[in-house]
Amino acid sequence: GENVEQHPSTLSVQEGDSAVIKCTYSDSASNYFPWYKQELGKGPQLIIDIRSNVGEKKDQRIAVTLNKTAKHFSLHITETQPEDSAVYFCAASTSGGYQKVTFGTGTKLQVIP
Amino acid sequence: SAVISQKPSRDICQRGTSLTIQCQVDSQVTMMFWYRQQPGQSLTLIATANQGSEATYESGFVIDKFPISRPNLTFSTLTVSNMSPEDSSIYLCSVIGQATDTQYFGPGTRLTVL
Repeated sequence: GENVEQHPSTLSVQEGDSAVIKCTYSDSASNYFPWYKQELGKGPQLIIDIRSNVGEKKDQRIAVTLNKTAKHFSLHITETQPEDSAVYFCAASTSGGYQKVTFGTGTKLQVIP
Repeated sequence: SAVISQKPSRDICQRGTSLTIQCQVDSQVTMMFWYRQQPGQSLTLIATANQGSEATYESGFVIDKFPISRPNLTFSTLTVSNMSPEDSSIYLCSVIGQATDTQYFGPGTRLTVL
């Protein structure tokens, strides 16, 4: 089955700096890669996703890149703010989200004011 | 995106008892899932809740321990049976809407078993 590895497990950045979280996946058939943000005491919230037919996607301060050959994808947050502090999960699945979504182990991001 | 509510939001239960968690969605959805998130850990899929039929369980999860119902396209329940302290976790309902293949999560139910 699919295996998703995520690094780093914790990340501290100064407010205004950029943060990068990296994930690798094992199943070459995976074609859908969502990213979730989980704040303390809440359920995961989808923040951005990318499909295998594109290499990069941006939404304001958030961007995701995908390298299908190397089977890795990354989340980039620019101009970080204290409210970006949360746990971020990457995930991968085949056939969009209709098939089982496999989650990474999570990255705890702390933005220091 | 769909609005998902879960009841209860949290509970503290005694060992050996059972708890039923409800998941309600504000619109009809194609698929509903139940996940478990142990403290400080990632999300693990328990099962896919199938409307009108038995749920599809992932390896390591069985119907006797986690019976699931899904009577219609907007509602599902997960029961955690004969609980032990190892069942202390956050249980999350997740859905895929009819017009999308994106998965959305409910707020979770935080369960503590003493």
